[in-house]
Amino acid sequence: GQQVMQIPQYQHVQEGEDFTTYCNSSTTLSNIQWYKQRPGGHPVFLIQLVKSGEVKKQKRLTFQFGEAKKNSSLHITATQTTDVGTYFCAGRGSGGSNYKLTFGKGTLLTVNP
Amino acid sequence: DAGITQSPRHKVTETGTPVTLRCHQTENHRYMYWYRQDPGHGLRLIHYSYGVKDTDKGEVSDGYSVSRSKTEDFLLTLESATSSQTSVYFCAISQRVLGETQYFGPGTRLLVL
Repeated sequence: GQQVMQIPQYQHVQEGEDFTTYCNSSTTLSNIQWYKQRPGGHPVFLIQLVKSGEVKKQKRLTFQFGEAKKNSSLHITATQTTDVGTYFCAGRGSGGSNYKLTFGKGTLLTVNP
Repeated sequence: DAGITQSPRHKVTETGTPVTLRCHQTENHRYMYWYRQDPGHGLRLIHYSYGVKDTDKGEVSDGYSVSRSKTEDFLLTLESATSSQTSVYFCAISQRVLGETQYFGPGTRLLVL
């Protein structure tokens, strides 16, 4: 079945430093989605990337989708304490039931003020 | 936040007892999903539904059953709870197609003793 690997598992940064998490799929994806989960909360949708090579920005967050549609990254510039949480990528497969989302294991970001 | 509620929010039960978790939505979305979240495993799909009485298995469906008799309600049943089913369970919904943007409920923390 489809597998989505996400690294690193944990990342601790000083406030103001940058942060990047990477996502790799074993198969080509129809799209990739990113979610954020605050401690004790539920996952919240951030963004969806569909096109090969797509880059999207949300303020200090930059999302990229690889040319082969098998990998993606989330980069946060100048982290703030409000960025604390677990960031998940979720790959949507292609074809029938493969359209289900497969989540990566997430990257837990902690920020030291 | 999307109109999704889960009940109960917390439950402690004993091994071998049946447990039913409820997910209720007010969005009239077609798709509903049950995930479990465990440390080191991220979010794993248990079952999903694509309409009333229409359900399918996810990647970790053993020991779980589901039912959807109304658009707004999706029930997850552990027929005979085991300690390995101790987890946080999230319900999610998506509007039109399988695997599109998902909106998560607040979660249910289940402890099986």
